[in-house]
Amino acid sequence: QSVLTQPPSVSAAPAQKVTISCSGSSSNIGNNYVSWYQQLPGTAPKLFIYEDRKRPSGIPDRFSGSKSGTSATLGITGLQTGDEAGYYCGTWDSSLNAWVFGGGTEVTVL
Amino acid sequence: EVQLVQSGAEVKKPGESLKISCKGSGYIFTSYWMGWVRQMPGKGLELMGIIHPGDSDTRYSPSFQGQVTISVDKSISTAYLQWRSLTASDTAIYYCVLIVVVTRTNWYFDLWGRGTLVTVSS
Repeated sequence: QSVLTQPPSVSAAPAQKVTISCSGSSSNIGNNYVSWYQQLPGTAPKLFIYEDRKRPSGIPDRFSGSKSGTSATLGITGLQTGDEAGYYCGTWDSSLNAWVFGGGTEVTVL
Repeated sequence: EVQLVQSGAEVKKPGESLKISCKGSGYIFTSYWMGWVRQMPGKGLELMGIIHPGDSDTRYSPSFQGQVTISVDKSISTAYLQWRSLTASDTAIYYCVLIVVVTRTNWYFDLWGRGTLVTVSS
C-alpha cells in the first residue's frame, strides 16, 4: 500500500483531457514539492513535472501540474495515443524521513 | 549529452551475489546525488537508496537497509548496487537515477538510466 494514492487507471478519447490525482497527507504532499514521471511501455521513467508545476525542457505544455492542500494533480490536455503510459507521483515524506512514490496510474486513450 | 549507462541484464541463481553498475557522463559526476530505484514485475517504483559520489555519503530507504549495498567509484564515474545473496524476490528492473537536490526535502529524479533486468531463478 503506497503512502501516496493514485487511481489505477484513467481513460479518455483522443484530444480530450484527463487528470490524474495523487493524494497524500500533511507529512508529504501538504508540505513538500511533488514531481511526476511518465513511463512509456517497456521504457524507463522520465521526469515530466517537478516542484509541483514546473516542466523540464522539452515537455509539452499539454502537461501541467498543480497542488491543493494534500493532493496533487497531473493534467493532460489534447490527449494523444503517444500519451498512453504509466504516470507516477513522488515526494518526500517528513514523517517517514523517506522518498515515496504513488502506486502509478495507467492512462489509456480510447 | 548527459547520460547514465547501466550494465546489462543478469540471470542468477538464489544465493548468488551480484553487482550492477551505472556510469554517468556529460556532467560533473561528483556534484549530483545518484540513486537506485526498483521496479518489480508489473509493479510500481521504489527508491532503494541514494549516494553522493563526492564523499560517498549513502542513505538507504528503510525497506532496503541491510539488504543491498550502494557504492561508487568516482575515478570512473560509476555507481554500483550490490547483493550478497540473491533471492527470487529480487527479480526486478533496477534503474539508476540522477537526483537534483534543491533542499533536504525538495528533490527530483532528473535523469533515469535505461534499467538493468535482474532475474533470479533456480
